Amino acid sequence: SQTIHQWPATLVQPVGSPLSLECTVEGTSNPNLYWYRQAAGRGLQLLFYSVGIGQISSEVPQNLSASRPQDRQFILSSKKLLLSDSGFYLCAWSHGPTDTQYFGPGTRLTVL
Amino acid sequence: GQNIDQPTEMTATEGAIVQINCTYQTSGFNGLFWYQQHAGEAPTFLSYNVLDGLEEKGRFSSFLSRSKGYSYLLLKELQMKDSASYLCAVAFFKAAGNKLTFGGGTRVLVKP
Repeated sequence: SQTIHQWPATLVQPVGSPLSLECTVEGTSNPNLYWYRQAAGRGLQLLFYSVGIGQISSEVPQNLSASRPQDRQFILSSKKLLLSDSGFYLCAWSHGPTDTQYFGPGTRLTVL
Repeated sequence: GQNIDQPTEMTATEGAIVQINCTYQTSGFNGLFWYQQHAGEAPTFLSYNVLDGLEEKGRFSSFLSRSKGYSYLLLKELQMKDSASYLCAVAFFKAAGNKLTFGGGTRVLVKP
């Protein structure tokens, strides 16, 4: 069976500091991978998605970036965090572009 | 854009039935998903509608009417553990990935 991991589970960072969140998927190969953000009291917003190594599509302009260095690894980064970057960051995977997305446990980021 | 509207909050009694509506202003989408999200946790997949009509999965059913631009999730025989947020999302399948656009979610509170 497939499992998806995210770390860290929680993170408190000062404004202006860098960020690196990691997501890995086990039990499948060549998954589609996604990064979402859920701000407090708001819906899920798609940030990035990837269909393969090195292939990243961005949904919204922001100071975040994503990379996929390995088939089952997806990383979300920032060089300088803003207060507005606080939120619940969720990674998801699907078998292919027409399949159900399954979410990881999430990382709760607080920027102070 | 794809405005997706859901009621913010609903309250129901244990053992009762609750219907959560989701209306959208978009067309040409491939399917509509429903997810459940308990507080502080990741969303979990509940159901998926491609064609108009009712999809039943145990106590949960989901309905889609493309011509009328709405979907609903029906929760029967409510249990206390059903207290959660329910997220509606329209899906556009593209070669570059499965793009989900979420509504703001409906928080359901089940009372004894």
